[in-house]
Amino acid sequence: GAGVSQSPRYKVAKRGQDVALRCDPISGHVSLFWYQQALGQGPEFLTYFQNEAQLDKSGLPSDRFFAERPEGSVSTLKIQRTQQEDSAVYLCASSIAGVNNEQFFGPGTRLTVL
Amino acid sequence: AQSVTQLGSHVSVSEGALVLLRCNYSSSVPPYLFWYVQYPNQGLQLLLKYTSAATLVKGINGFEAEFKKSETSFHLTKPSAHMSDAAEYFCAVTASSASKIIFGSGTRLSIRP
Repeated sequence: GAGVSQSPRYKVAKRGQDVALRCDPISGHVSLFWYQQALGQGPEFLTYFQNEAQLDKSGLPSDRFFAERPEGSVSTLKIQRTQQEDSAVYLCASSIAGVNNEQFFGPGTRLTVL
Repeated sequence: AQSVTQLGSHVSVSEGALVLLRCNYSSSVPPYLFWYVQYPNQGLQLLLKYTSAATLVKGINGFEAEFKKSETSFHLTKPSAHMSDAAEYFCAVTASSASKIIFGSGTRLSIRP
């Protein structure tokens, strides 16, 4: 069965460029989460969707970060005017419903900002 | 608010020895607690979850964890380590009313032959 997929797997951007990271959750999963994982650290929560509604975006580090899930399935995390401190692995996860159910993680997108 | 602390960023044990990975949590409401594992070049996957049904939780691959409210701990154990257990392990906490899960900083488990 298909798991959570993310694309691209690797992205190199020059400082100041905009990037878009895609997440395809498991079909039928209501909840979708984005995390940022710095080297040697645990995943840090960025934002949470239930269907197309963004219920919590408290973890987005700045207004340069924007996430959407317009049809309640695929989600895109956009980072505008990338900075070196944005370099990290961006993880997407989905669950059948809610925070307290098992989250299934994608392989992540490794973003390097030069 | 919830938080989680993992003691020891790196643990090394011999093959066949007991594995003990420590996790302490802070929560103002009854927590949900998780252990996730991240094998090299793979995504995180759930090992086990505590939801108040039983204090001793059994997970995959022979791992288990015990919820101790008095110690605010949820340590992960395995009686006998196997080489394939080498990975990064993350403890995480949330609550029924929460909209996000908080992860610890992780413990890298190495297994010595």
